[in-house]
Amino acid sequence: KAGVTQTPRYLIKTRGQQVTLSCSPISGHRSVSWYQQTPGQGLQFLFEYFSETQRNKGNFPGRFSGRQFSNSRSEMNVSTLELGDSALYLCASSLETDSYNEQFFGPGTRLTVL
Amino acid sequence: AQKVTQAQTEISVVEKEDVTLDCVYETRDTTYYLFWYKQPPSGELVFLIRRNSFDEQNEISGRYSWNFQKSTSSFNFTITASQVVDSAVYFCALSDLDSNYQLIWGAGTKLIIKP
Repeated sequence: KAGVTQTPRYLIKTRGQQVTLSCSPISGHRSVSWYQQTPGQGLQFLFEYFSETQRNKGNFPGRFSGRQFSNSRSEMNVSTLELGDSALYLCASSLETDSYNEQFFGPGTRLTVL
Repeated sequence: AQKVTQAQTEISVVEKEDVTLDCVYETRDTTYYLFWYKQPPSGELVFLIRRNSFDEQNEISGRYSWNFQKSTSSFNFTITASQVVDSAVYFCALSDLDSNYQLIWGAGTKLIIKP
């Protein structure tokens, strides 16, 4: 079974631009969560989608948004990029949305904002 | 508020030594879940274990073992006879009702195993 895939793996953007990251979950998984990882703040939850609906949202500004498609693939978008958005963005999928479901992580997209 | 503390920022040991990674958590909920993940240099987080708050049994999986103690709110992870391939950053995480069962992460412990 293929794992969680994320594209692109690396991205360089400049301040003010916007970016879209993509995540394909493991086949059959309906929940997709996004996390931001930075050296300063560590791992922080962005949002979770389940069956095309956002179920949970972390404490991030509205510049960060996401969506999920009917095939469970998910995208996250960051508009008006700031230097502080430079981070590793990790996507995780799980079968269902409950706490006890193990989350499987993708390799991440490393975003650099210049 | 919930919190996960991994006080050890970095640990360095020589191969074959045993090493324990500490994790202390805070939660108001009686039902919660604790996790350990490993992040090798490649960046992908790898699930190691999940434990629910009603199961305080220690667990052993090969060279890995976990000690869950509710009395001290700790969920420590021990690697026996460490190997160079164990070098990674290890994260402890908590999920509970307060967090809508999303993962609250510790800061991670970087483990370096020297040959």
